[in-house]
Amino acid sequence: DTGVSQNPRHKITKRGQNVTFRCDPISEHNRLYWYRQTLGQGPEFLTYFQNEAQLEKSRLLSDRFSAERPKGSFSTLEIQRTEQGDSAMYLCASSLVGATYNSPLHFGNGTRLTVT
Amino acid sequence: QKEVEQNSGPLSVPEGAIASLNCTYSDRGSQSFFWYRQYSGKSPELIMSIYSNGDKEDGRFTAQLNKASQYVSLLIRDSQPSDSATYLCAVNLGGGADGLTFGKGTHLIIQP
Repeated sequence: DTGVSQNPRHKITKRGQNVTFRCDPISEHNRLYWYRQTLGQGPEFLTYFQNEAQLEKSRLLSDRFSAERPKGSFSTLEIQRTEQGDSAMYLCASSLVGATYNSPLHFGNGTRLTVT
Repeated sequence: QKEVEQNSGPLSVPEGAIASLNCTYSDRGSQSFFWYRQYSGKSPELIMSIYSNGDKEDGRFTAQLNKASQYVSLLIRDSQPSDSATYLCAVNLGGGADGLTFGKGTHLIIQP
């Protein structure tokens, strides 16, 4: 399978704990994106990387959130001191270049986070 | 505030009929437009992309773009129960901006 891979699929954690998610993009894709989706809403942009460089971060990405893509391949998204409002589906996507008509975003299966 | 607007539905269409899904966007600089399908509990999957005014057809799906009206639509012909899903409209702003801005999605129900 050469699609975008995310782990874990599900994560249940207690409020205040730290969690880390991993995303492996399609191998030849330079761009990697993180989105968050809550029930009844479309995906909301969090951040993106071009290779190992983090080029943009949304205002949604509080200082409790950090993302890395150390070697320009896989990426991790860490949430520190989780809050119940962090409960959501966290989606990773990759694209060959920017999100143009001939280089669309391909999404992974997502990590569903539940904070109790 | 750059926005993408969709009617959340649900939109109920009889099997075999044409389903019409609509989307408007606020930024005239938007350059590329996408329709994604999302089944409940699953991730979005790309259906179609379009960047020039007019129609683009792919099988039972037709995307329509009108940049002057800042309007993009998706038509699904011969609707099947398996088409029941949420359809997300997404827009790339272009001009150096990256990523996609998504609408909230339209929940489509195809009635057998």
